[in-house]
Amino acid sequence: QVQLQESGPGLVKPSETLSLTCGVAGYYISNGDYWGWIRQPPGKGLEWIGSVYHSGTTYYNPSLKSRVTISVDTSKNHFSLNLYSVTAADTAFYYCARAAYTGYAFDSWGQGSLVTVSS
Amino acid sequence: EIVLTQSPAILSLSPGERATLSCRASQSVSTSLAWYQQKPGQAPRLLIYDASKRATGIPARFSGSGSGIDFTLTIISLEPEDFAVYYCQQRSNSLTFGGGTKVEIK
Repeated sequence: QVQLQESGPGLVKPSETLSLTCGVAGYYISNGDYWGWIRQPPGKGLEWIGSVYHSGTTYYNPSLKSRVTISVDTSKNHFSLNLYSVTAADTAFYYCARAAYTGYAFDSWGQGSLVTVSS
Repeated sequence: EIVLTQSPAILSLSPGERATLSCRASQSVSTSLAWYQQKPGQAPRLLIYDASKRATGIPARFSGSGSGIDFTLTIISLEPEDFAVYYCQQRSNSLTFGGGTKVEIK
């Protein structure tokens, strides 16, 4: 059974870069599927940040596209998120997830990582 | 951007009752729509994809229907573990989520 785990700093200063990695166990990223990042401000709804195909092709939320890079490293079986020039509005739980069915429905999720943007 | 509007925002029901949740898209998404359940402190769980297909391990009391702009998630008889927040998601144009419906115990 696939397991995903987010890792990275829980506190980031304004204007700096938020970097998270999602480690995947029990499944090879190189097998296929889409791998995504979704965030959720505390007490609020879900927002898709972007997804990456196992080949490295990326898809981003248009509202975040100018500040986001998602990459995949099949040799380490993980994928990563970089969100640049963060502000307090980027404070959220960040989830990594796999979309195995049709490329958009996220069937497996990490537990989530709270990232706070504050000086 | 396609906007998904979920209604009602809060649904107050008793265990054993039928729950009907609505998701309306600002333009057609065909059947590219998924439903998720989220409990406090947990990641969302996929229930339905492609509007009506149950994900692996999802009980038969959950069903999805609709196409185009109007979609429904039905829970035919609420179990205690079903009280949670439910989100719809589309992929016809980028990926967006609805604002959620909270199903609470009456």
